[in-house]
Formats: sequence, structure tokens, C-alpha cells
Amino acid sequence: AQSVTQLGSHVSVSEGALVLLRCNYSSSVPPYLFWYVQYPNQGLQLLLKYTSAATLVKGINGFEAEFKKSETSFHLTKPSAHMSDAAEYFCAVSYGGSQGNLIFGKGTKLSVKP
Amino acid sequence: DSGVTQTPKHLITATGQRVTLRCSPRSGDLSVYWYQQSLDQGLQFLIQYYNGEERAKGNILERFSAQQFPDLHSELNLSSLELGDSALYFCASSRDGSSGNTIYFGEGSWLTVV
Repeated sequence: AQSVTQLGSHVSVSEGALVLLRCNYSSSVPPYLFWYVQYPNQGLQLLLKYTSAATLVKGINGFEAEFKKSETSFHLTKPSAHMSDAAEYFCAVSYGGSQGNLIFGKGTKLSVKP
Repeated sequence: DSGVTQTPKHLITATGQRVTLRCSPRSGDLSVYWYQQSLDQGLQFLIQYYNGEERAKGNILERFSAQQFPDLHSELNLSSLELGDSALYFCASSRDGSSGNTIYFGEGSWLTVV
């Protein structure tokens, strides 16, 4: 079955520190990969997506992610955390064809300490 | 603002009742998706429509049904409601519904069943 695994349901970093949120997918075919962010009481906002172009994908708010096929990973990073980055982050995958629905990981809640 | 509009934002209803959630996709988007977000199940894909036709079905209960109308708005009907149906229901839309399309999410409809 197709799945996405996000390691760590909670991650806490200090302001200015590196943010690393992990995502691994299971796939026998090249996937499309996405990271979404959800702020409290809001909908999901797309941070970035990978669609088989460059393996290093830059997104909004200084986030980027690298697609590593050999590791089936798509980890999200940001060099320097800001208080406003505190939110829940979801990794998602879709597998090609006419059905574009996303399969989501369980999410990682990011806390940023002053 | 993603451009996806959902109504109502909040809804409280009793067990056994029926409710309808409404969604207007982004201008120009032909495909609509419904997702359910709950604490125990996370983000679950329910169903996808493209230009009025069902395209993909996920973990949607038989008590739930949806449709997409000629003007492309969509409704999700939830009947014989149970306490466990309490969740945040998201509508999302994309351009043509194929894999790799960016999927834009509304702010959700909070359903509380008492």
C-alpha cells in the first residue's frame, strides 16, 4: 500500500536553529511529493512540491526539500527557524495518473522556542 | 486565501442527523476533493470529482455521499451522524485533477456531533 511516514510527531527547535522535518514514502513508481503547513484553526497551505524536475525544491518562507530516490525520502529543512514557523507540517504523496488525490503523513508539530 | 470557499465554518448537530457541507472551488479548477481530518485518523482522503464525475474514492463511509454540480461547486452529505464523525472536513480543488497538480485547500468545516 502507498504510504508516507513522518518521523517525529513533535519537533522542538530554538529560534535561529536548523529545522529538519523527516518524510519517507513507499513507492515502486516515481511519486509526486508535497509539503503542506497548517497553522492553528486554518486550512493547509502548500509549502513546496516535487514533480520530477530538480531534486532540490525551494518553497515559500525559506523552506526547501530534497528528493532522494535511493533513500525514498523528502525531508523538509529551513536553515534558521522563526517563531512564526510554529505550526503542523504534513508530507503528502500522489502517484501519477488521472487521480491526483494526496496521501498524507500523520504530521509533525513544530514548536519554536525563543 | 486559497480561493476555495467552504460553508459552514462550524456546525454542531445531534447524533442521527444529516448535514450538508458546501464547497466552491478556485476559479478555473475542475476537480474537487474532500478530506476528513481527525485526531485519531489524521488526514483521510474521502472522494474526488472531476467536472461533475466521480474520479476517485477513498475512505468514504456509505453514510456519506458527495456530488459536483454543473457550476463545479460540490456538496458533501453526511447522514445518520455518529459521535465519531466529529472532525474537520476539508474541501480542496485543483486544475484538472491529475497527479502532480497543486491541490488548494479551503479552511475547512468543523463538524461537532453531540
